[in-house]
Amino acid sequence: QVQLQESGPGLVKPSETLSLTCTVSNGSMSSYYWAWIRQPPGKGLEWIGYIYYSGSTNYSPSLKSRVTISLDTSKNQFSLKLTSVTAADTALYYCARLRAFAHDYWGQGAMVTVSS
Amino acid sequence: SYELTQPPSVSVSPGQTVTITCSGDALRRKYSCWYQQKPGQSPVLVIYQDSKRPSGIPERFTGSNSGSTATLTISGTQAVDEADYYCQAWDSNTVYVFGSGTKVTVL
Repeated sequence: QVQLQESGPGLVKPSETLSLTCTVSNGSMSSYYWAWIRQPPGKGLEWIGYIYYSGSTNYSPSLKSRVTISLDTSKNQFSLKLTSVTAADTALYYCARLRAFAHDYWGQGAMVTVSS
Repeated sequence: SYELTQPPSVSVSPGQTVTITCSGDALRRKYSCWYQQKPGQSPVLVIYQDSKRPSGIPERFTGSNSGSTATLTISGTQAVDEADYYCQAWDSNTVYVFGSGTKVTVL
């Protein structure tokens, strides 16, 4: 079955850019949407955005000004960049596949802490 | 922005039925789904498109969506069902939104 794995720095300084990559294995990226979701410690889930395999994107209105999601189908990867981070961006970041308006496969999550 | 409201917690005795509600404006038209999240684990999709079960999800999980409320029902609740449950919907403006989550305790 499809597997997703997040990777990237676990510590980011305030005002800098958070960068994460999700590697998709055991499946093609074609014809699916690929999403990022985050969860602050002890809190609920927050949807960040998605990218379609064609490259079109859609972002949460609350994060839209700071988020970019990109795709590299040759590597079976998609990536998240979040600029100008603050402590409020400290969270467990998940990548997931979107299908039929639901996230059916999730990665294990990557913890990112924003601190100087 | 679009919001989904869930009760913070519910409790149930083993073998009994528990229902979790998720309320949102015109939710009936917004493709609701439900996730189960156990401590230290990633969320697992248990219901999509209001009432469909993914492969491998036990039949005791059922979903419905009427008017402005989506409902997840767990029948014959087992200890392994103790978890946080999140509803999620798609809205044309906000795109995807999660509810605040409901902690299910099996007493």
